[in-house]
Amino acid sequence: DIVMTQSPDSLAVSLGERATINCKSSQSILYSSNNKNYLAWYQQKPGQPPKLLIYWASTRESGVPDRFSGSGSGTDFTLTISSLQAEDVAVYYCQQYYTTAVTFGPGTKVDIK
Amino acid sequence: QLQLQESGPGLVEPSETLSLTCTVSGGSISSSSYYWGWIRQPPGKGLEWIGSIYYSGSTYYSPSLKSRVTISADTSKNQFSLKLGSVTAADTAVYYCARHPAYCGGDCYLRWFDPWGQGTLVTVSS
Repeated sequence: DIVMTQSPDSLAVSLGERATINCKSSQSILYSSNNKNYLAWYQQKPGQPPKLLIYWASTRESGVPDRFSGSGSGTDFTLTISSLQAEDVAVYYCQQYYTTAVTFGPGTKVDIK
Repeated sequence: QLQLQESGPGLVEPSETLSLTCTVSGGSISSSSYYWGWIRQPPGKGLEWIGSIYYSGSTYYSPSLKSRVTISADTSKNQFSLKLGSVTAADTAVYYCARHPAYCGGDCYLRWFDPWGQGTLVTVSS
């Protein structure tokens, strides 16, 4: 299995400031034939199911605010919230789909400072 | 708008079989290019993929759960189901169903999950 790790475990950011979440895979999830990174990001608010934010590492899902952006390649990826809003308080998960046995990162909790 | 809804017993005794059904509305599970999956989340913990099914019956399972899991689909009811055998307290979790795109050439390659059902809590206890 590809093991996904995330850092930090949690972070607190002031409203309007930038939040950065890191995700690392135990092997490259860049498929050379199409130059795509097989990574998705989700947001999960308390008591709710996860919501897809980003796929192919950097493609924003329809309706997701543009303050959310994804970057990275190979084994190292980043989710950035450019200007944190109160409604962004949540746990964020990365997920690889390079292998059929998809796996998730352990999550990063984002709070307001 | 596609919606998924999990249903089933909220309490299962140890060593028994956990059975859940996901009912899909606003779309058909017979749609090509989509698999339908189960994911679980123990209280206060992260997400674990359990397995996924295509309407034709093709399945993929998590290696760690494969020996205990069966996923099936009923296209006439637009539902798919999960059975997890020999459960223990470690199987206590919120169980979600979700759709995911797949690219199928010879084999199929699963993608992200979207949308998700609201989830149902299953507690394993006597």
